[in-house]
Amino acid sequence: AQSVTQLDSQVPVFEEAPVELRCNYSSSVSVYLFWYVQYPNQGLQLLLKYLSGSTLVKGINGFEAEFNKSQTSFHLRKPSVHISDTAEYFCAVSRPGRRALTFGSGTRLQVQP
Amino acid sequence: EAGVTQFPSHSVIEKGQTVTLRCDPISGHDNLYWYRRVMGKEIKFLLHFVKESKQDESGMPNNRFLAERTGGTYSTLKVQPAELEDSGVYFCASSQDRDREVTGELFFGEGSRLTVL
Repeated sequence: AQSVTQLDSQVPVFEEAPVELRCNYSSSVSVYLFWYVQYPNQGLQLLLKYLSGSTLVKGINGFEAEFNKSQTSFHLRKPSVHISDTAEYFCAVSRPGRRALTFGSGTRLQVQP
Repeated sequence: EAGVTQFPSHSVIEKGQTVTLRCDPISGHDNLYWYRRVMGKEIKFLLHFVKESKQDESGMPNNRFLAERTGGTYSTLKVQPAELEDSGVYFCASSQDRDREVTGELFFGEGSRLTVL
């Protein structure tokens, strides 16, 4: 079985500051890793994903994440946030052969002017 | 192109009543998923359809939940009878992954919020 831990339920940050949202996972097999974002009153949308290859993946809206197998982490980063990045961010994993995603509990990013 | 649509957006019912949630996936998407988020906790998988067949229903909490996808198009999720702990947001998602190809990109609807009093 897999599990995902997002330690920070809320992250307040000032506009133009850097941000890192943490994600750790647990799995006995290799996994695929994802970050989804939910803006207010919208459905979740894919931000970025790691399936294989380069451990540094770039996504939409200037976000990137790095897969660290030894630390079982997939932290999300952005060097300079905007007010429009205010949203809830979900880390998720799946494994080859099973399409169901296992989500973390989400991190609310609150960007303040 | 229309995205994943869910109806109703919000439903308030009393314990013991029945509620049916509907999901219309993106046209042409064979894969349809139901997820649930309870009280700000993690989003939990309920089940996965491939066309009209249930591929994986390991996340269904109990037999009060019945999901159908007749004809492989829209899907319904019925809760009967509803209990207090069923309150939460029910998300539907669809994808076009074929066979062994996994892109992981699920397209989500806005969710149906269920409140059981």
